Amino acid sequence: DAKTTQPPSMDCAEGRAANLPCNHSTISGNEYVYWYRQIHSQGPQYIIHGLKNNETNEMASLIITEDRKSSTLILPHATLRDTAVYYCIVRVGPGKLIFGQGTELSVKP
Amino acid sequence: KAGVTQTPRYLIKTRGQQVTLSCSPISGHRSVSWYQQTPGQGLQFLFEYFSETQRNKGNFPGRFSGRQFSNSRSEMNVSTLELGDSALYLCASSYGLAGGGGTDTQYFGPGTRLTVL
Repeated sequence: DAKTTQPPSMDCAEGRAANLPCNHSTISGNEYVYWYRQIHSQGPQYIIHGLKNNETNEMASLIITEDRKSSTLILPHATLRDTAVYYCIVRVGPGKLIFGQGTELSVKP
Repeated sequence: KAGVTQTPRYLIKTRGQQVTLSCSPISGHRSVSWYQQTPGQGLQFLFEYFSETQRNKGNFPGRFSGRQFSNSRSEMNVSTLELGDSALYLCASSYGLAGGGGTDTQYFGPGTRLTVL
């Protein structure tokens, strides 16, 4: 079973920040939080990951709460091309990702 | 670096047949994982191979099998196809770091769309 909970869908206006929440209340101390996104019928695309510190790369920022029970993925300036299903995953070991249902993000003009 | 490649991209088979799908990982990656994606069950982990050995396995029947070659390329096979095997089959590769691999990021291929008639 997935160890994460995400809202099934969200809307965001183009050019605004998209904030996607994820709950992972049973996360263990050495488990990483990973984010992927999947545009219709393509392979999932890696976005970012983190353990306990906030992380930023060219695609997004990841904010992890101090107790590590939840996190937020931030797309700072959403575009129409960011419309996708976003998956928050707790990595439990090498080679195996357990996907939940994800959040379907719709970016609207 | 070239990304993960999967062949074929599309495949149509009939019930009872078998099928073999191929995955070429990113150069230097030694771990290949396979996933099945269906509208009803979402993305589900099938198995993972590292250095030609199956290291992890999901909850799928024995009709689903795989192997990995010395160059890290991997194949998965589905025998006695059923209608419910129609799905997008994805493979992902990573370095396969030991010790839990918390930072061992997986990169996905485009998938093979299998339709069973």
